[in-house]
Amino acid sequence: AQSVTQLGSHVSVSEGALVLLRCNYSSSVPPYLFWYVQYPNQGLQLLLKYTTGATLVKGINGFEAEFKKSETSFHLTKPSAHMSDAAEYFCAVSEGFNNNDMRFGAGTRLTVKP
Amino acid sequence: DAEITQSPRHKITETGRQVTLACHQTWNHNNMFWYRQDLGHGLRLIHYSYGVQDTNKGEVSDGYSVSRSNTEDLPLTLESAASSQTSVYFCASSALRGFLVFGPGTRLTVL
Repeated sequence: AQSVTQLGSHVSVSEGALVLLRCNYSSSVPPYLFWYVQYPNQGLQLLLKYTTGATLVKGINGFEAEFKKSETSFHLTKPSAHMSDAAEYFCAVSEGFNNNDMRFGAGTRLTVKP
Repeated sequence: DAEITQSPRHKITETGRQVTLACHQTWNHNNMFWYRQDLGHGLRLIHYSYGVQDTNKGEVSDGYSVSRSNTEDLPLTLESAASSQTSVYFCASSALRGFLVFGPGTRLTVL
């Protein structure tokens, strides 16, 4: 079965610094990959997704992620952190179309220091 | 605007009681899901439905049940609440081949 590992449960960066949140996946077939963000006391919101095609995916709020098959990775980056980026980020993998097999990582909490 | 609502947002109950968490979506999505979120585990799928009268077990379904009588609602029932079911519960929906849209969550405490 597919699975996701997020490296680092907590990441702290200074405002204006590069954000890098790491995600590695395991899948027996070409995967669908997602990053979701969760702000305090809210549900998850889709940041970006990879299905097929271009391996560099751009999402909302200046985030992007690159699908690297050879490294089984889908790391999330943002060139310059903003205070409003402080949240919990979840990487997820699915092998099917109907989301019933979606597997989420344990999450990475991003703190942005002024 | 389309949305997913969950009620109640917070619930405290006692061990052994039956509890029902409501989920209502106005996206007109056929697919609906219930997840629980626990520290260190991310989200885990409890039950899901692909349409009216269709329900399926997910990864952690023991002690939970759902029913789907219309497109908009998928209530989650804890038959006999246990302390291990203290968690934050999220309802989500999606279109076929679409991404998940999540509700705001219900924080359940079982004493």
